[in-house]
This record gives sequence, C-alpha cells and structure tokens, in this order.
Amino acid sequence: EPEVTQTPSHQVTQMGQEVILRCVPISNHLYFYWYRQILGQKVEFLVSFYNNEISEKSEIFDDQFSVERPDGSNFTLKIRSTKLEDSAMYFCASLNRGGDTEAFFGQGTRLTVV
Amino acid sequence: GESVGLHLPTLSVQEGDNSIINCAYSNSASDYFIWYKQESGKGPQFIIDIRSNMDKRQGQRVTVLLNKTVKHLSLQIAATQPGDSAVYFCAESGSSNTGKLIFGQGTTLQVKP
Repeated sequence: EPEVTQTPSHQVTQMGQEVILRCVPISNHLYFYWYRQILGQKVEFLVSFYNNEISEKSEIFDDQFSVERPDGSNFTLKIRSTKLEDSAMYFCASLNRGGDTEAFFGQGTRLTVV
Repeated sequence: GESVGLHLPTLSVQEGDNSIINCAYSNSASDYFIWYKQESGKGPQFIIDIRSNMDKRQGQRVTVLLNKTVKHLSLQIAATQPGDSAVYFCAESGSSNTGKLIFGQGTTLQVKP
C-alpha cells in the first residue's frame, strides 16, 4: 500500500538553528500539507501546497517557515530559526485531489528544540 | 473562527462493547467530515468520512452519524477490540477548497480486556 514517508523520525536541534523536515508524498498525489501536533494537543494545520505554490497557510506559518518541492518527489518544511515552542510532531500529508477526499498522513517527525 | 471540538477527553470501554465518540463542530458551511485514529507515536490514520448530504455512513465495524441541525458528529465502533485503543480525532474540511483539515481535540479510547 502506498504511504507517505517522513525523515528523520526524530530531530533534536538547538534554539536558533535551522531545520529541514523531509517528506515523500504518495507518487500520484497533487496536494501536499504540513501539520503539527504539540504533545497532548490536537493536530493543527500549517500549510497546503499545490502546483508548486502555497495555496493556504495558517497563522502559525509565519516568516520562519517555508516549504519547497525541489525535485518532484520530496516535499520539505524548513524552519529558519527554531524556537522552543516549535517543539512538536510534524506531519506531512498528501491528497490526490483537493476537496473531499481522505488525506494520507506520514508517521511524523518529532522535533525537539533545546 | 472555525473550530471542531470533542465532548470527552477519555472513553473507557470493555472489550466487546460498543463505543461512541462524539464531536461538535461550529462551521455550518462545513460539507465534509472525517474520523482519524492515532496510535501512539504514529500519524493519523483514516477511518471513515461523510459528506454533509448524508446523515449516516457505515464501514467495517464503524459507523459515522452526522446531525447537521445541531452540528454534531459521532463515531460508533461495534464490538470494540484492544486494537481500537487510540486517540480518535474528528476533522472537517471547512469552507476551504484546498483540502486542509481542521481537527478536534481528540478522545482517548481505552479498551479494557
């Protein structure tokens, strides 16, 4: 069964450092997403990406965040200068079309900022 | 703003019993709803979905009910098994057409053997 894969599974970084979280969406999917989940809390939408551009972003997704699909397979989330409050699980998801179809989620990257 | 909430943080049931997990949503324009299951250390896993033009949909051992009048969604799990122990999230797609999901807080389902 096709799946969304994310690397690394766990990333520890010092405050102020840049991190890049990587995702390989399902190959025939066209819509890509990043979500985050702070420990014990709900999953929160960060950004959606379609046709090589951001289609929607949340208030959380400020100038410290960026996304990129550099090579047609990988989908990355970059945090330029990490803060302690960026510590969370980050999930990548993909859809084969927008609207009312199920999104497939990756296993997540646990980001710990120290 | 849009919000999706869950009535109870934890539900404990006996193995073999039926489970009902509830969810309230606030955006009356929402037209698509999904239930996800999240096991510890894993990403959300799709369980079942329903469109706003339906009030009930059944899957294998699961049923989703939608009451648009009171903006309420529920997930029923028949003959609950230990493997059903997880956190369950309802989510809505809201009025956005980008496919983003708005998640509720989550209900932890504990199945006692």
